[in-house]
Amino acid sequence: EVHLLESGGGLVQPGGSLRLSCAASGFTFSDYAMTWVRQAPGKGLVWVSAIAGSAAHTGYADSVKGRFTISRDNSKNMVYLQMNSLRVEDTAIYYCAKTEGSSWALDYWGQGTLVTVSS
Amino acid sequence: DIVMTQSPDSLAVSLGERATINCKSSQSILYISNSKNSLAWYQQKPGQPPKLLFYWASTRESGVPDRFSGSGSGTDFTLTISNLQAEDVAVYYCQQYSSFPHTFGQGTKLEIK
Repeated sequence: EVHLLESGGGLVQPGGSLRLSCAASGFTFSDYAMTWVRQAPGKGLVWVSAIAGSAAHTGYADSVKGRFTISRDNSKNMVYLQMNSLRVEDTAIYYCAKTEGSSWALDYWGQGTLVTVSS
Repeated sequence: DIVMTQSPDSLAVSLGERATINCKSSQSILYISNSKNSLAWYQQKPGQPPKLLFYWASTRESGVPDRFSGSGSGTDFTLTISNLQAEDVAVYYCQQYSSFPHTFGQGTKLEIK
């Protein structure tokens, strides 16, 4: 059974940093691209970043480019999101999601971790 | 960036009736290699993460009831829910994965009339 567990969220001041982690199990991790999606309270889904299975290919939303870095450790079945220069507007639930395999569609999602950026 | 626009923003449909949600991309999302459109549909219920319904615009994810259907091509796509059930109340999102960033539509809230 596929399982994704996010951690690392919390309260941080504007300008601060956080590193989110996502522990994956139940599938051959290195075979699948992984994605981070966020959702501000009461708002819609926003794609944040993705990384290919080999880590050779990454992508970012314009709103986080240059501030966030996605990475993965295939030996540990982990994907990370390093978030620097955090802004109030980065406040959201951050979901880790696995890609479907034949496409970049997201077939399994974690329960999310809440990031709150506030002074 | 490709902009995904859903319509309507919300709709109310009677139980047993049909609900139709539209999604329009700002440019073609056709994947030349397999001649399929790089579009996914998700359902999100309150307090839950999203659930994948369709990918490649019309390929139904395992376990999704066949009263859900996905269609469309080019830049115009549709999610249709036939014989609406109470458990279908949710927010529905389309997403393109043709090119980074893999943008979502703004969501359509489906309620029971």
